[in-house]
Amino acid sequence: AQRVTQPEKLLSVFKGAPVELKCNYSYSGSPELFWYVQYSRQRLQLLLRHISRESIKGFTADLNKGETSFHLKKPFAQEEDSAMYYCALNAGGTSYGKLTFGQGTILTVHP
Amino acid sequence: KAGVTQTPRYLIKTRGQQVTLSCSPISGHRSVSWYQQTPGQGLQFLFEYFSETQRNKGNFPGRFSGRQFSNSRSEMNVSTLELGDSALYLCASSVQPGGGTEAFFGQGTRLTVV
Repeated sequence: AQRVTQPEKLLSVFKGAPVELKCNYSYSGSPELFWYVQYSRQRLQLLLRHISRESIKGFTADLNKGETSFHLKKPFAQEEDSAMYYCALNAGGTSYGKLTFGQGTILTVHP
Repeated sequence: KAGVTQTPRYLIKTRGQQVTLSCSPISGHRSVSWYQQTPGQGLQFLFEYFSETQRNKGNFPGRFSGRQFSNSRSEMNVSTLELGDSALYLCASSVQPGGGTEAFFGQGTRLTVV
């Protein structure tokens, strides 16, 4: 069975500081990894996915299969980045659209 | 275009009752998934439907069931409600099932069991 672990429940940084939200997964196959974000009073939405290898709102995430990690990074945090961030995994194959989520990390960016 | 719509937004039910939640996916999306969100367990997958067929099911008791209609709208039903069923129930739709396909979430139905 697959599992996603986000070790930090809360993360606080100051504006302009680098930020890294950690995500580790356990799965023996080749999963697809995602980061979802939920801003205050908004619905959960996709931030980025590893297969697209793109940067969204300054965030990037690299899939490290050796360390089974998919950490989310941003070099200079902004106040508007304050939100709940979820790392999610899709195992592919007969998992179809099932997403396995981590517990989430609340990011607070202080002015 | 309109996003994923869930109704009702809030529900209060008594233990032992049953409840039906509704989800209207984005137009053209044929896959609908359901998740339960609680402070203790986080987001947990309930089930997924595609073209009126359940494709995947999470580790929940049989009291939790769902269905999908020909217009892709989906409902989930919880029978014999327990206090522990109090949660935010999220529905997500995607164009098709499978990894790599973006899931669009609704705002959820907040169920409180008293």
